[in-house]
Amino acid sequence: GQQVMQIPQYQHVQEGEDFTTYCNSSTTLSNIQWYKQRPGGHPVFLIQLVKSGEVKKQKRLTFQFGEAKKNSSLHITATQTTDVGTYFCAGQGSVNYGGSQGNLIFGKGTKLSVKP
Amino acid sequence: DTGVSQDPRHKITKRGQNVTFRCDPISEHNRLYWYRQTLGQGPEFLTYFQNEAQLEKSRLLSDRFSAERPKGSFSTLEIQRTEQGDSAMYLCASSQDSYTYEQYFGPGTRLTVT
Repeated sequence: GQQVMQIPQYQHVQEGEDFTTYCNSSTTLSNIQWYKQRPGGHPVFLIQLVKSGEVKKQKRLTFQFGEAKKNSSLHITATQTTDVGTYFCAGQGSVNYGGSQGNLIFGKGTKLSVKP
Repeated sequence: DTGVSQDPRHKITKRGQNVTFRCDPISEHNRLYWYRQTLGQGPEFLTYFQNEAQLEKSRLLSDRFSAERPKGSFSTLEIQRTEQGDSAMYLCASSQDSYTYEQYFGPGTRLTVT
């Protein structure tokens, strides 16, 4: 079945350093979503990417969707302590490639800690 | 508060007992999803509804799990004959009536089976 893999599993950075997490799917995706989960909290939607090669920015966050729509990345510039949490990518299958439209397949997430 | 709500927030039960959780989605959302999350893992899809119709169910989901959304509003997830492996956070999410819309998650119900 469809799998979504994320690396790294953990990332410890000094405040002000950059951070990147990578997401790879075993199948072509119709779209990919990114969520952030703070410690003790629930996943909160950040962004959705739909088009091949799409790049979107939200302040210090930059999201990319690969040309083949099988991989994605999230880059945070100049991390702050408020960025602490686990970042999940979640892929939605493409029916053209046997995937399901109904549910999101989440990666295991990248847990980010930021040292002040 | 107009977000997704779940009840109870915590449930401790003995192995073999049945438990039921409730989810109230955002009122204008037609789609409702159930996920399970264990420590260090991402949410794992269980099932989803569009209005009152259950459209998809994970192949990994045991027959002990059943979900309903009788009037297309709130939903319940029941686990029969609980096992220790069922201990997890059960998350509910809702979205607008298209698979391309973002999902809004509730705070979850943490289940501990002793």
